[in-house]
This record gives sequence, structure tokens and C-alpha cells, in this order.
Amino acid sequence: EVQMVASGGTLVQPGGSLRLSCTTSGFIFSDYWMSWLRQSPGRGLEWVANIKNDGSDKYYVASVKGRFTIFRDNAEKSLYLQMNSLTADDTGVYFCARDPKYNSGPWGQGTLVTVSS
Amino acid sequence: DVVLTQSSLSLPVTVGQPASISCRSNQSLLSSDGNTYLNWFQQRPGQSPRRLIYKVSNRDSGVPDRFSGSGSGTDFTLKISRVEADDVAIYYCMQGTHWPRTFGQGTKVEV
Repeated sequence: EVQMVASGGTLVQPGGSLRLSCTTSGFIFSDYWMSWLRQSPGRGLEWVANIKNDGSDKYYVASVKGRFTIFRDNAEKSLYLQMNSLTADDTGVYFCARDPKYNSGPWGQGTLVTVSS
Repeated sequence: DVVLTQSSLSLPVTVGQPASISCRSNQSLLSSDGNTYLNWFQQRPGQSPRRLIYKVSNRDSGVPDRFSGSGSGTDFTLKISRVEADDVAIYYCMQGTHWPRTFGQGTKVEV
């Protein structure tokens, strides 16, 4: 059974940093492009970043470029999102998923990031 | 960025009756590889999104055949042939043809 478990979300002050983790199981992690997506009442569903299966290519939505870094550890079957210079607009539930352009399967329960003073 | 506009934010439906959700793009979603990367997602209350349809009209495994997708270019539709109570959810279209991937604002189907 394919599973994604995102963690690391918490309350953080504006300008702060946070690292999200996603542990996976039930599939060959190193075969897949992976994505981070987020959802908030104000911004709806938003794709945040993608990373190629071997980590060699990365893509970001413009609003996070230069502040967020997606990376992965294929040996640990884990995906990460390093988030710096956080603003209130980054508040939301963050999901990890196999790239939903190409893949079905669960997104996991998500992890809540709240940026507030 | 590509903007996807779903015509209704809310869609009241009756169990047993058909329902239709529209998604319009401000750019063609026909990719240079000949595919059109328009997907549909369902998000039930309290759950994460689940993909239903990929490349306009292909149902994902386990998706009931009462769900169907159609369209081309810039206009797409998700149809539910006979709505069931279990279909209460928010439905999103998503395009994967252009970077960044973008989603519609969602249509809430209410019985």
C-alpha cells in the first residue's frame, strides 16, 4: 500500500525557517518524480515544487523560488522541503505526493504550517 | 501562469441526477507531446485530494464509471452520470501541461 506521511509543520514566526519531511512506503521511491503541494483557504490548492527521481532537476512556483528548497534521500525513501524567509502567505497544509500530473495515489494527511507572530 | 476557471464555486445536486462541472483554461492545454494534461481531483470533507481523471478522460483505478471527463484545448468538463451521497466533495481541475502546474479554484458539490 502506497503511503505518504508528512511531518514538521508547526507555528513559526514571519521570517523564520522550517523543514518539512515526508516518509514514504509501498512503492519504489527512486522511480518517481515527487511534489510538494499546499492548501489554504485564501490560496486554494497550489503546487509548490517538484523534484526529479534522481534529484537532478527541481522546479518551483514563483512565489517560493529562492526561499524554498526541495530535496530527497532515495536511500531513506524520503522527501524534504526546506522553507526559509516564511511569510503569512506560506500558511497552509502541505502535502507530499508522487507528481499528480502523472500519478494517482494518496497525498497523505498533510502537515500544517502556520506563519504568525 | 495558466489560469483555470471553474464556472461554479458551488453546485447543488440531487441524488440520482446527473451533474456537470466546467473548467476553462486561459491557454491551450495541448502539450507538444500530443497529450493534454488536464486532471480532475476529488476532495471529500476532511480528506486530502484524490485524483479521479487524468489526461482529460482517463479514469484512475478504482474510480466509479459514473465519473467521466471530456474536453479539449481550453474547455473541459467533469460529469457524474448519477450523483450519489458519497460524491459530496470539492472537485478541482489541474493542468500539468505548463509550468507551474495550476489548479482551478474548486467546485463544491452539495446534495
